[in-house]
Amino acid sequence: NAGVTQTPKFQVLKTGQSMTLQCAQDMNHEYMSWYRQDPGMGLRLIHYSVGAGITDQGEVPNGYNVSRSTTEDFPLRLLSAAPSQTSVYFCASSKGPGANVLTFGAGSRLTVL
Amino acid sequence: SQELEQSPQSLIVQEGKNLTINCTSSKTLYGLYWYKQKYGEGLIFLMMLQKGGEEKSHEKITAKLDEKKQQSSLHITASQPSHAGIYLCGATPTSGTASKLTFGTGTRLQVTL
Repeated sequence: NAGVTQTPKFQVLKTGQSMTLQCAQDMNHEYMSWYRQDPGMGLRLIHYSVGAGITDQGEVPNGYNVSRSTTEDFPLRLLSAAPSQTSVYFCASSKGPGANVLTFGAGSRLTVL
Repeated sequence: SQELEQSPQSLIVQEGKNLTINCTSSKTLYGLYWYKQKYGEGLIFLMMLQKGGEEKSHEKITAKLDEKKQQSSLHITASQPSHAGIYLCGATPTSGTASKLTFGTGTRLQVTL
């Protein structure tokens, strides 16, 4: 039972490069989310999805794109990386509305030079 | 937007001592979640509280939600080195926002021998 799998674990980019952080879950969860974690800021929501084909913006969506073509996958795209996007990124999923628990991936540490 | 304040920001306790971490919301909460993060790893779910006055325990960790559902505490009894990490509270204002948890900035706990 893999849960939520994120790849890559570590990535270094140059300013202006693009890349995709992958997230996959095998629990048939409807809801998926992307957060970034920065020192002193806690976890902040970037984008989320309530089901395949449906996405919405969170608190800090600028510079990021998402899509949800399948229930299992929720990739996060950085269109033109900036040093301000240096962070640890977490993908999470949950069953659906109501008091459901988020299951988190192990995180992807991104450095933008 | 809902804000969560955690206190203290960091804590160093001697093994065997008790400790309490607090989480305060500016708004009434639908659900309050406690997570633990080991350094460099993902978040692990600890407990969820929904009802005013609710209290839950797991091993040596007890979480409480006040009657007004705006403040929660996490109490660890007889701390051990395995309790070290970052504790985060997360909250949802309504039932349909399972994927949109708002998090506090976290409390970093160190347990010394």
